[in-house]
Amino acid sequence: DGGITQSPKYLFRKEGQNVTLSCEQNLNHDAMYWYRQDPGQGLRLIYYSQIVNDFQKGDIAEGYSVSREKKESFPLTVTSAQKNPTAFYLCASSILPGQGTTSYEQYFGPGTRLTVT
Amino acid sequence: GQQLNQSPQSMFIQEGEDVSMNCTSSSIFNTWLWYKQDPGEGPVLLIALYKAGELTSNGRLTAQFGITRKDSFLNISASIPSDVGIYFCAGRVRSAGTASKLTFGTGTRLQVTL
Repeated sequence: DGGITQSPKYLFRKEGQNVTLSCEQNLNHDAMYWYRQDPGQGLRLIYYSQIVNDFQKGDIAEGYSVSREKKESFPLTVTSAQKNPTAFYLCASSILPGQGTTSYEQYFGPGTRLTVT
Repeated sequence: GQQLNQSPQSMFIQEGEDVSMNCTSSSIFNTWLWYKQDPGEGPVLLIALYKAGELTSNGRLTAQFGITRKDSFLNISASIPSDVGIYFCAGRVRSAGTASKLTFGTGTRLQVTL
């Protein structure tokens, strides 16, 4: 089945450690995104990538880093510089608008809940 | 970054009742999307809207793209217990060029009582 996978579902880390969250998709989508969700809030964009080897900062990129070496994969690293890393992290993907479509529909993975103590 | 305003923030309804919620923005949007999120899961796309005034249905759900392009509405008819969750609107600002970024609303939490 086509879809987006995120692993692990739950992740625990000590303060001061970097941690990498995995996101893989087999939908053949060009664009991928990382969002952060805090209780009672909407989704805030961390980073997004519209093509392999290229990515742009979203609204809250400080303390995070990403890479896009393969079309299917878009890992997110939460660094020790992130002041409040405990949150629910969501990965999404979409067709790249303009390739014969006006669709901006994003499809989400199941999320990773990161707890840093 | 901008966030959309959703109303109401939460609602308690009885099974069988109809539900209405809306999303407003200070900017003009050319795309509106509605998602549902169950606890601890990723959002699932319900309906996508691309034209001002467009009315689209998906089973018991109906969504409309506001004429002003600054708002959108979602209605759920004859609610059932599995409708419980958080409903998010999302939109793309018309002036965003080729960027595929979406702006998300703050969510409406729906709880259904028997």
